[in-house]
Amino acid sequence: GQNIDQPTEMTATEGAIVQINCTYQTSGFNGLFWYQQHAGEAPTFLSYNVLDGLEEKGRFSSFLSRSKGYSYLLLKELQMKDSASYLCAVRAEGGYSTLTFGKGTMLLVSP
Amino acid sequence: DADVTQTPRNRITKTGKRIMLECSQTKGHDRMYWYRQDPGLGLRLIYYSFDVKDINKGEISDGYSVSRQAQAKFSLSLESAIPNQTALYFCATSDLFGGRSEKLFFGSGTQLSVL
Repeated sequence: GQNIDQPTEMTATEGAIVQINCTYQTSGFNGLFWYQQHAGEAPTFLSYNVLDGLEEKGRFSSFLSRSKGYSYLLLKELQMKDSASYLCAVRAEGGYSTLTFGKGTMLLVSP
Repeated sequence: DADVTQTPRNRITKTGKRIMLECSQTKGHDRMYWYRQDPGLGLRLIYYSFDVKDINKGEISDGYSVSRQAQAKFSLSLESAIPNQTALYFCATSDLFGGRSEKLFFGSGTQLSVL
């Protein structure tokens, strides 16, 4: 089975840095994804990690430690538009596996 | 134009009615999925299809059925809707590149309310 945990809610201030953690326990591992979802909209892809380490993409970075079953999404220079839900998703091993999503972390950015 | 299109965007129906949600895509992807999203429960997989002749049950398939009419079309049916099927439904597509890195592209969602 798969179990993915992430905090339910987080708050931060505009211009600050926030780290959203995700821990997972899965039967096999073949990649971890982060998606962003604004209220009432579809999720959109943010990042993908399959090897240990940090992947940086502009203001957003994602880190993976496979041995610890742990990932985080780091958002720098927060903007009001970053207020959204952030979904961690894991793909189990194998070409016919699908993504399992965590319940999402609602981030509220205040002025 | 959207690459993954869901219809309808909103639907209100009554308990016991048959409902069909439709999804079409212009991305040329082989893989299509139906998810539902409930507050506090996240996205859960209902059914998925890796090609036209392939249909697989997901985590929560009871009470649902699907049809893959073509590579571009994947519909979800509720044969006899019940109130706890009230949720936001998403269709998604993906393509497999070298066996790895398969990101999902989502439609805009269908908000279904069963009274």
